[in-house]
Amino acid sequence: AQKITQTQPGMFVQEKEAVTLDCTYDTSDPSYGLFWYKQPSSGEMIFLIYQGSYDQQNATEGRYSLNFQKARKSANLVISASQLGDSAMYFCAMSRLYGYALNFGKGTSLLVTP
Amino acid sequence: EAGVVQSPRYKIIEKKQPVAFWCNPISGHNTLYWYRQNLGQGPELLIRYENEEAVDDSQLPKDRFSAERLKGVDSTLKIQPAELGDSAVYLCASSLAFGQQETQYFGPGTRLLVL
Repeated sequence: AQKITQTQPGMFVQEKEAVTLDCTYDTSDPSYGLFWYKQPSSGEMIFLIYQGSYDQQNATEGRYSLNFQKARKSANLVISASQLGDSAMYFCAMSRLYGYALNFGKGTSLLVTP
Repeated sequence: EAGVVQSPRYKIIEKKQPVAFWCNPISGHNTLYWYRQNLGQGPELLIRYENEEAVDDSQLPKDRFSAERLKGVDSTLKIQPAELGDSAVYLCASSLAFGQQETQYFGPGTRLLVL
């Protein structure tokens, strides 16, 4: 079984600052993928970034980077230069590879202040 | 490229009534998922299709929920009869198997309120 834990129910960050959203996971699968999604108040889930369990380098996508520490089973999301539009719920998720369902954490609510 | 389309966006019904949700995945995506998201929680899988075959429906409450994916494209999720506890957001997602990465792309969801 897979389990995702997000321990920060809510986070505040000032505009233009960097913020780290924590995610730890547990799995017995040797191969897996880790994902971060953003969910604004409108409700859609927006894919942000992906990290494969065998990837040697941390994933980056624009202002998003994933701090993957396999030994610690953590996959934290770092958002650099926060913008007001980054205010949303952020979900960490994982799946076995090749088309399996995502297992989500409970999410972290991020509020970016001016 | 068009994203995942879902309809309706919102639905309010009385308990014991039937309700249906429709999903059109991204063109060419062979895998389709239905998730349910309760308030304050992350989404949870209801059913996963590979083409027209339901390959994982272990979390689908089969006494009242049913789903189909005719011709391996569009999908419909039905609840009959609806209960108060079914109030949630129903999300459809699709993906295309490509190597090891299989990112799921979500539709806007259907917000269901059962009164």
